[in-house]
Amino acid sequence: NAGVTQTPKFQVLKTGQSMTLQCAQDMNHEYMSWYRQDPGMGLRLIHYSVGAGITDQGEVPNGYNVSRSTTEDFPLRLLSAAPSQTSVYFCASSYKGKAFTEAFFGQGTRLTVV
Amino acid sequence: KQEVTQIPAALSVPEGENLVLNCSFTDSAIYNLQWFRQDPGKGLTSLLLIQSSQREQTSGRLNASLDKSSGRSTLYIAASQPGDSATYLCAVYNNDMRFGAGTRLTVKP
Repeated sequence: NAGVTQTPKFQVLKTGQSMTLQCAQDMNHEYMSWYRQDPGMGLRLIHYSVGAGITDQGEVPNGYNVSRSTTEDFPLRLLSAAPSQTSVYFCASSYKGKAFTEAFFGQGTRLTVV
Repeated sequence: KQEVTQIPAALSVPEGENLVLNCSFTDSAIYNLQWFRQDPGKGLTSLLLIQSSQREQTSGRLNASLDKSSGRSTLYIAASQPGDSATYLCAVYNNDMRFGAGTRLTVKP
């Protein structure tokens, strides 16, 4: 049981480049989300999805796009990378049902934009 | 909009001490609350999940309580050890999951 898998673990981008951070889970969880964590801060919600075909914005969505074509995958796209997007990115998933269950997190992607 | 606050931001205690970490939230219409541990440079490890209908959960030396009506949760750590040193984060679920900024705990030998 792989849980939540994020790739890549590390990435360096130049300003203006685009890229996709991958997130996959094998637990059949409806709810998936992306967070960024900056030094000394907690996790801030970027985008989330409550099921295939459904996405919504979180606290800090600008500069990021998401889509959810399958239950398993929830990629995060940076359209035109900026130094302000240098951060550690975490993907999470949980079962929703009547109430959210325990959330599981990937190991994170450390992104540097130069 | 849900706001989650954790106090204190940092805490340093001698080994063996019992301690309490606090989490408060502004919107009491939550599904559940979850406490996590994060070691430096690492991901999040789930510690305890409290459903909205529950008052507390226990796991080993950890006990988490939830007072939904007052928008507060506490994480109690008994007989702290140097290995407990980490950042502790709380997160609440409404329609999405929001985090506090965390409490950085240092347990000195």
